[in-house]
Amino acid sequence: EAQVTQNPRYLITVTGKKLTVTCSQNMNHEYMSWYRQDPGLGLRQIYYSMNVEVTDKGDVPEGYKVSRKEKRNFPLILESPSPNQTSLYFCASSLLQGVGGTQYFGPGTRLLVL
Amino acid sequence: AQKVTQAQTEISVVEKEDVTLDCVYETRDTTYYLFWYKQPPSGELVFLIRRNSFDEQNEISGRYSWNFQKSTSSFNFTITASQVVDSAVYFCALSEGSNTGNQFYFGTGTSLTVIP
Repeated sequence: EAQVTQNPRYLITVTGKKLTVTCSQNMNHEYMSWYRQDPGLGLRQIYYSMNVEVTDKGDVPEGYKVSRKEKRNFPLILESPSPNQTSLYFCASSLLQGVGGTQYFGPGTRLLVL
Repeated sequence: AQKVTQAQTEISVVEKEDVTLDCVYETRDTTYYLFWYKQPPSGELVFLIRRNSFDEQNEISGRYSWNFQKSTSSFNFTITASQVVDSAVYFCALSEGSNTGNQFYFGTGTSLTVIP
């Protein structure tokens, strides 16, 4: 089944403890992206990647890192999480590298930072 | 400034009523794409439609229709004869950029409640 998977789905952590949220797609998509969803703010793009080893900042990259060493994986790293990073995170992928590709989303990861 | 504005935060309608969700976007690019996504109470994001900036034809898919007007920078979504299953948060989104950079912008969403 074609899908985007994220792990873990739920995570509670404490301030400063490094964590990684994994994202994987099995559709051979070029483009991958991370978003956070907060009440009243909609979804905001954190980072995106148009190809292996190519990553770019979105609207809200502060406090996050990403890497794209393989086409299928795009992990989101929080080196030193803070409470304002408590949010619902979505990974997405798109077949098209350039503008206009339809993004397909993972199920979301709910993160609570205490 | 918001790239995508969904001014309606919450809408409630009675089942079988028609409802229109507004979306206004802002871009300087001549090539861009607009999308609508649905987020039901279960939380997943479901793709509904994609439209490029060169195609202003309205689109209908069952009870759903979309009205794209470049002159007013709007891409509105109408649900005809609404049903309880249409209750969800709906997001409008804009994709702009080039082959060297491609950002995606979402509106803040409109929460639709269909009352039986």
